[in-house]
Amino acid sequence: AAGVIQSPRHLIKEKRETATLKCYPIPRHDTVYWYQQGPGQDPQFLISFYEKMQSDKGSIPDRFSAQQFSDYHSELNMSSLELGDSALYFCASSLNTGELFFGEGSRLTVL
Amino acid sequence: GQQVMQIPQYQHVQEGEDFTTYCNSSTTLSNIQWYKQRPGGHPVFLIQLVKSGEVKKQKRLTFQFGEAKKNSSLHITATQTTDVGTYFCAATSSNDYKLSFGAGTTVTVRA
Repeated sequence: AAGVIQSPRHLIKEKRETATLKCYPIPRHDTVYWYQQGPGQDPQFLISFYEKMQSDKGSIPDRFSAQQFSDYHSELNMSSLELGDSALYFCASSLNTGELFFGEGSRLTVL
Repeated sequence: GQQVMQIPQYQHVQEGEDFTTYCNSSTTLSNIQWYKQRPGGHPVFLIQLVKSGEVKKQKRLTFQFGEAKKNSSLHITATQTTDVGTYFCAATSSNDYKLSFGAGTTVTVRA
């Protein structure tokens, strides 16, 4: 069965650079979520989209933005990167706000 | 926003013993979900509870939702080494749809 696909799996950036993470949800899922997980931390909700419209916003910095495209894939754009942005970024998708299916995550390292 | 408190943060268990992790909220929850994240992995959905007082079992795992829908517990019997990982509860309140995670209970097992 198809799962949530995230790319890239690993990303290394310098401070003040920008990064873009991509997420391809499970086909026919109507909601996409982005979470940030620091080392030893719980996943922190960033933002979600329902049917390509932003549905909820969490602790997402102003330097970050996200969108969902017509083909349902989503991108998380991060600018002016800081050391503290180093984390594992998960995308998840769901159908009718049921269980979340998580991707493998994108590990961002900011040097 | 809604905060979901989870205790204990760490659980070190002798193989074969039982343990319980608890999830508490100050607000009424629409539903509660439980996820397991193995070291280096991504959260994987275990169960969703919706009804007041609901109890569900999955082999050695027993999940409960409190009568007031403000707390939940996960009880694991006869712990095995395969139970190692972090168990997160995650919940949506009655007021919004974003799924907020508890801090997680990290379980280690000694043989």
